[in-house]
Amino acid sequence: QQQVKQSPQSLIVQKGGISIINCAYENTAFDYFPWYQQFPGKGPALLIAIRPDVSEKKEGRFTISFNKSAKQFSLHIMDSQPGDSATYFCAASNWEYGNKLVFGAGTILRVKS
Amino acid sequence: GAGVSQSPSNKVTEKGKDVELRCDPISGHTALYWYRQSLGQGLEFLIYFQGNSAPDKSGLPSDRFSAERTGGSVSTLTIQRTQQEDSAVYLCASSLALVGYEQFFGPGTRLTVL
Repeated sequence: QQQVKQSPQSLIVQKGGISIINCAYENTAFDYFPWYQQFPGKGPALLIAIRPDVSEKKEGRFTISFNKSAKQFSLHIMDSQPGDSATYFCAASNWEYGNKLVFGAGTILRVKS
Repeated sequence: GAGVSQSPSNKVTEKGKDVELRCDPISGHTALYWYRQSLGQGLEFLIYFQGNSAPDKSGLPSDRFSAERTGGSVSTLTIQRTQQEDSAVYLCASSLALVGYEQFFGPGTRLTVL
């Protein structure tokens, strides 16, 4: 019940295209859903996050869509750029339990120029 | 300002040896987390601290693993009698508080057990 399932494992997108990564969770106690971006040799960095009281959040080219009833959330990267090539992790946590993050398995994104 | 720093960046050790990994959180951050990133298990939670106390150690894989935090700042993760399956990148993160603030990750310590 603690799992967060992420798909796809890898994704190749043309420059300027839309990258879409999906995650699903089981534990309805989760109340915080961040997305992290990780480059080789670096730690994960927060990209964007959402709470379950909203269905969508947009920051620049990055959008999270959240479907509480389906227990799913997704990351959309608009106008994908080669510099977006990285590994993306979705995560979930419950602030009542110390906000420890449960991560998805990760998606390796490659944007072709 | 400085971010989360971890040392060493790389550690190679022999099976059976003890290792200590260090994390320096962002100044003023009261919450500190340890995670492990490995090919087989992905990113997994190990332990977190609020101040110097560790309310949740549920992610520590075995009693060979322990962690402490002193002065509400630096934390050390100790692995005793290392095994090959301990090889992974150990990541530390800190946040201003437990609730309502993002976690900032350090670059990690890559541990290789031969």
